[in-house]
Amino acid sequence: DQQVKQNSPSLSVQEGRISILNCDYTNSMFDYFLWYKKYPAEGPTFLISISSIKDKNEDGRFTVFLNKSAKHLSLHIVPSQPGDSAVYFCAASAFDYKLSFGAGTTVTVRA
Amino acid sequence: NAGVTQTPKFQVLKTGQSMTLQCAQDMNHEYMSWYRQDPGMGLRLIHYSVGAGITDQGEVPNGYNVSRSTTEDFPLRLLSAAPSQTSVYFCASRTGESIFFGQGTRLTVV
Repeated sequence: DQQVKQNSPSLSVQEGRISILNCDYTNSMFDYFLWYKKYPAEGPTFLISISSIKDKNEDGRFTVFLNKSAKHLSLHIVPSQPGDSAVYFCAASAFDYKLSFGAGTTVTVRA
Repeated sequence: NAGVTQTPKFQVLKTGQSMTLQCAQDMNHEYMSWYRQDPGMGLRLIHYSVGAGITDQGEVPNGYNVSRSTTEDFPLRLLSAAPSQTSVYFCASRTGESIFFGQGTRLTVV
């Protein structure tokens, strides 16, 4: 049973608008959350992370929000750019550092 | 700066064949791991290692073996390939919360 779920397999957004990617988790022991970006034929690359002691972390155009009570996190990309077209994976880890990944959301930014 | 290097990039195997996927990192990371990526499943942990001589099973270890004789290398062995092992395999190394992935090996078992 997947402990990290990304229920939207795809997202299409116009260039310049906001992209919002959602992720839900079931394991209350998770205390660190990460987002990875993956282009075709490449390995995932780290994008942004958040610790469970925070509810928001921002890095340039990327902001991650964490709602622990709802076991939900989201990634906001503002403004969306064509180079943001990729697969985005949500991941979570507990004290043992093993990562659990969601199934991914494919983002397409339209010109 | 090579980072995490995986070889080969592509491989086709017949059912029952064995092979080793190679992974090497030059960042002196203690923690290394292998994932497989399947459509609709995300990345699932196969095996991991917290240092030379230490390995442990992940979420989907069956049909795979690993060893960690050096800090740099973490090979993944398929003992007897099955079509269910058709996947894209990623090796990763980690220091703290920073994780670096290789470019992946696309394996097809026919």
